[in-house]
Amino acid sequence: QVQLVQSGTELRKPGASVKVSCKTSGYTFTGNYIHWVRQAPGQGLEWMGWINPKNGGTYYAQKFQGRVTMTKDSSITTTYMELSRLTSDDTAVYYCARSGGLYSYGFWGQGTLVTVSS
Amino acid sequence: DIQMTQSPSSLSASVGDRVTITCRASHDINNYLAWYQQRPGRVPKLLIYAASTLQSGVPSRFSGSGSGTDFTLTISSLQPEDFATYYCHKYNSDPDTFGQGTRLEIK
Repeated sequence: QVQLVQSGTELRKPGASVKVSCKTSGYTFTGNYIHWVRQAPGQGLEWMGWINPKNGGTYYAQKFQGRVTMTKDSSITTTYMELSRLTSDDTAVYYCARSGGLYSYGFWGQGTLVTVSS
Repeated sequence: DIQMTQSPSSLSASVGDRVTITCRASHDINNYLAWYQQRPGRVPKLLIYAASTLQSGVPSRFSGSGSGTDFTLTISSLQPEDFATYYCHKYNSDPDTFGQGTRLEIK
C-alpha cells in the first residue's frame, strides 16, 4: 500500500534551517510528484511547492522562493524539504503529499511539527 | 495566480442536516477541484477530486459539483463524525491553492 512517512518533530532557533524528509513506499517513486503543504497552528493549509522525483525538477510558491529547497534521493525513495532563515512564523506542521493528475492529493504523510523559538 | 474564495468560513448545523459549502475560483480551473476533510490534530483526508468524483471509501452522503469557477460540497445528512474543517483545493496549474477552510460545528 502507498505510504508516506515523514521525519520527526524539530525545534529550531530563529535564523536556522530545517530539513524534513518524506519516505515513500508502495508505488513507483518516479511516477508521482510530491507536494509540500504546511499548516500553522489554528490556520489553514498553505501550499509550498512540488518536486518531480523523476528528474528532480521543482516549482516553489513565490512566498518561499529563495528560502525553500526540495530534493530527492531515489536510492531510498525519499524526498526532502529544506527551509532556511526560519522565523517564528514558520512554526507549523509540514506535510508531504503525493499527487496524481486529476486525482489531486490522495496520499499524505503524517506531518512534521517544526517549532521555531529562541 | 488564481485565488480561491471559500464560504462560509464557519457553519453551525445539527446531525441530520443538509449542508453546502461553496468555493469560487478567480479564473476557470475546469474541474481541477478537490475537497478535503480535516479533523483536529489529523491529516487532511481527500473526499472529492475532479470536482465531483467521490474518493474510494468516502460515504455517499458527500457529493461535489461544479465546473469552471463555481463549486460546491454537499453533505446530505450530517453525521457526528462529519464535524470538522473542510478545504477546497485547486490544482489545474501552478501554483496550487487551498481555500481558507470552513469549520463545521455542532449546533
